[in-house]
Amino acid sequence: GAVVSQHPSRVICKSGTSVKIECRSLDFQATTMFWYRQFPKQSLMLMATSNEGSKATYEQGVEKDKFLINHASLTLSTLTVTSAHPEDSSFYICSAVSGTGHEAFFGQGTRLTVV
Amino acid sequence: GDSVTQMEGPVTLSEEAFLTINCTYTATGYPSLFWYVQYPGEGLQLLLKATKADDKGSNKGFEATYRKETTSFHLEKGSVQVSDSAVYFCALSGSSASKIIFGSGTRLSIRP
Repeated sequence: GAVVSQHPSRVICKSGTSVKIECRSLDFQATTMFWYRQFPKQSLMLMATSNEGSKATYEQGVEKDKFLINHASLTLSTLTVTSAHPEDSSFYICSAVSGTGHEAFFGQGTRLTVV
Repeated sequence: GDSVTQMEGPVTLSEEAFLTINCTYTATGYPSLFWYVQYPGEGLQLLLKATKADDKGSNKGFEATYRKETTSFHLEKGSVQVSDSAVYFCALSGSSASKIIFGSGTRLSIRP
């Protein structure tokens, strides 16, 4: 199946700094990528939909100035958590939709810890 | 809006027991339905899927049938193993390139 690579897998940062997470589709072009956040023992909550070459669409309650999303190419989307705070600590997962649009492939996830 | 409701966990079974995790959905149109599995410390992996009514998805001994009349997609396995311990998410996807809506997840633990 298609492969989506997410990097880094773990990151620890100091409060107030910014962290960038990359999501790459390795063997297919993804016009649409999605970013999810998962709190411990909870389900995945969609944060935003990232479309190549256009602005991301954010879900209600997600601060777009805090979670910057860039989808500059058909194989790469980035999520930048700006001015991170301990409450931003979470597991972030990206997914990319294949050409048929009915199956999404997920990255391995990034565990962010803000200290 | 679209939504997925799945059985709350945790579910604890003995090895070789029969497993059922219930999942029902609400959606307009004809969504695709999925089961994803998340092993400890890892991301999500697609376990199986079904794209139209009466389709049966199957993989690794797990099965689920798309039941439009009951809007359900229950996950079953005849004989579970310790290695099946994970969190299972039922999910749906609507039209092309749409977002995936997840259920709350069911944590499954299998005792040797």
